[in-house]
Amino acid sequence: AQTVTQSQPEMSVQEAETVTLSCTYDTSESDYYLFWYKQPPSRQMILVIRQEAYKQQNATENRFSVNFQKAAKSFSLKISDSQLGDAAMYFCAYRAGHAYNQGGKLIFGQGTELSVKP
Amino acid sequence: DGGITQSPKYLFRKEGQNVTLSCEQNLNHDAMYWYRQDPGQGLRLIYYSQIVNDFQKGDIAEGYSVSREKKESFPLTVTSAQKNPTAFYLCASSKDRLDSNQPQHFGDGTRLSIL
Repeated sequence: AQTVTQSQPEMSVQEAETVTLSCTYDTSESDYYLFWYKQPPSRQMILVIRQEAYKQQNATENRFSVNFQKAAKSFSLKISDSQLGDAAMYFCAYRAGHAYNQGGKLIFGQGTELSVKP
Repeated sequence: DGGITQSPKYLFRKEGQNVTLSCEQNLNHDAMYWYRQDPGQGLRLIYYSQIVNDFQKGDIAEGYSVSREKKESFPLTVTSAQKNPTAFYLCASSKDRLDSNQPQHFGDGTRLSIL
């Protein structure tokens, strides 16, 4: 069974600085997708960035980028120029490449609580 | 604007009572999902439905039931058999049931507590 592990329960960053959140996963599949979701205090889940496993190029979305190491099964999130609004719980998630496999469900890590200091 | 609407925002359950959480989407998405979130844990899948009139158990389906009579609606019933129902419940949907590249969109959640 696939698993997702986030080993940092809490992280802190100074405003305008850069922070990296770690995520590792375990799977025997070669085709899959990885996601980072943000959950602010409002509890809404917001998609931050996604990565297709077959793409070697790391995904980027404005200040957010990932470091995808397929062989190491690592998928870290880098937030540049951190802003106060980035403070939230961040979840790493895995999804099988074939949606008929387990219905396309997301498998989540335990989350990392990010605080941003002014 | 299209989106997912969950109601109510807060819900209280008495002992031995069944309660139903509503989830409605106007995104024309095929697949819908129910997740449970407990403190300090990630989300865990309760049930999912990839098409109308069909649904499958997820990882923690015991004590829950669902229906999918309409594409837009996927209500979750928490039965009295669920002994520890206090949690935050999130409903999600994705456009194409066969395309895992499609991200899941989430509602704002329902917080269920025991009276």
